[in-house]
Amino acid sequence: QQQVKQSPQSLIVQKGGISIINCAYENTAFDYFPWYQQFPGKGPALLIAIRPDVSEKKEGRFTISFNKSAKQFSLHIMDSQPGDSATYFCAASRTFKLIFGAGTRLAVHP
Amino acid sequence: NAGVTQTPKFQVLKTGQSMTLQCAQDMNHEYMSWYRQDPGMGLRLIHYSVGAGITDQGEVPNGYNVSRSTTEDFPLRLLSAAPSQTSVYFCASRPYGVTNTGELFFGEGSRLTVL
Repeated sequence: QQQVKQSPQSLIVQKGGISIINCAYENTAFDYFPWYQQFPGKGPALLIAIRPDVSEKKEGRFTISFNKSAKQFSLHIMDSQPGDSATYFCAASRTFKLIFGAGTRLAVHP
Repeated sequence: NAGVTQTPKFQVLKTGQSMTLQCAQDMNHEYMSWYRQDPGMGLRLIHYSVGAGITDQGEVPNGYNVSRSTTEDFPLRLLSAAPSQTSVYFCASRPYGVTNTGELFFGEGSRLTVL
């Protein structure tokens, strides 16, 4: 039973384009929704996170959109750069368990 | 500052062998956890701990044991390795309580192959 479903599995975007990754969750008790970025050979690192009391959070080129009624949230990367090429994971948590989506491998072509 | 340190980085085991993956953090974080990462399945929580002497199961605990005798260390034990345990293992920590922002700090991973 996958509690956090992420799509697409892979994404190719041209430099300067917008990358969009979507996630859906089932457990309405989740109260924290982060996105992690992982480069090859490294551990994941927090990129941006949102709580369910807001519908959008922006940090630089990265924006989370959150739709509580639909139980969906998404990551938008504006002006995508080759350095953004990585694997991105959405996640959801309540208390002590952070549950991850399956990941999206993003490739930004110059 | 070292952060979260995992050893070994690579390990090859034969089926039935036992081993311990080590994890140490120097950030005085109360919460520590172990994840495994498999292609197409993301990261799945194995076990976690909210302080010395306190551990609990995550999503995929079978075949793994943990203990937490100090704040700094959280070893993961495989008692009888199976090929299904071939994976990349990540240890992660964060503060617990008023300083908790929710952010998990990950180590660089331990790649385990079970033949």
